[in-house]
Amino acid sequence: GENVEQHPSTLSVQEGDSAVIKCTYSDSASNYFPWYKQELGKGPQLIIDIRSNVGEKKDQRIAVTLNKTAKHFSLHITETQPEDSAVYFCAAKDSGNTPLVFGKGTRLSVIA
Amino acid sequence: GAGVSQSPSNKVTEKGKDVELRCDPISGHTALYWYRQSLGQGLEFLIYFQGNSAPDKSGLPSDRFSAERTGGSVSTLTIQRTQQEDSAVYLCASSFLAVTDTQYFGPGTRLTVL
Repeated sequence: GENVEQHPSTLSVQEGDSAVIKCTYSDSASNYFPWYKQELGKGPQLIIDIRSNVGEKKDQRIAVTLNKTAKHFSLHITETQPEDSAVYFCAAKDSGNTPLVFGKGTRLSVIA
Repeated sequence: GAGVSQSPSNKVTEKGKDVELRCDPISGHTALYWYRQSLGQGLEFLIYFQGNSAPDKSGLPSDRFSAERTGGSVSTLTIQRTQQEDSAVYLCASSFLAVTDTQYFGPGTRLTVL
């Protein structure tokens, strides 16, 4: 089955700097890769996703890149703000009726 | 519009008691998922319902865990004879169709077993 590894587990950046979180997956059949943000006491919220027919996707300060050959994908947050502080999860799945497989999360702290 | 709702938000129980956790998915969503999140950990898949198909129970950790989905909408996760290791946040998510993949999560139920 699919296995998703996520690094780093914690990340501290200065406000205004960029943050990068990386994930690798094992199942070459996976073709959908969402990223979720979880704030304290809340459920995860989808912030961006990418499918395997594209290599990069951007939404304002957030971008995701995908390298299918190497089986890894990354989340990039530019111009970080204190409100970006949260736990971020990557996930992967294939196109069948299979559940998302999540990484263990990255706790991002943006220091003002 | 209304998102996924879960109740109760917090549940404290004694070891050995049964608990029921409820999930109301987004209206019209055919797929419903339950996950467990232990302290500082990622999301562990438990069970998945898709329309009228038999549920995928492959993630349930033991036969003390069960779930049902009535009328293709509301779902209840039941944990029998709770153990301290069952303490976690239980998250529910729904999606319009499984193949579209975008899952929307509820706020979770924090279960504490004393």
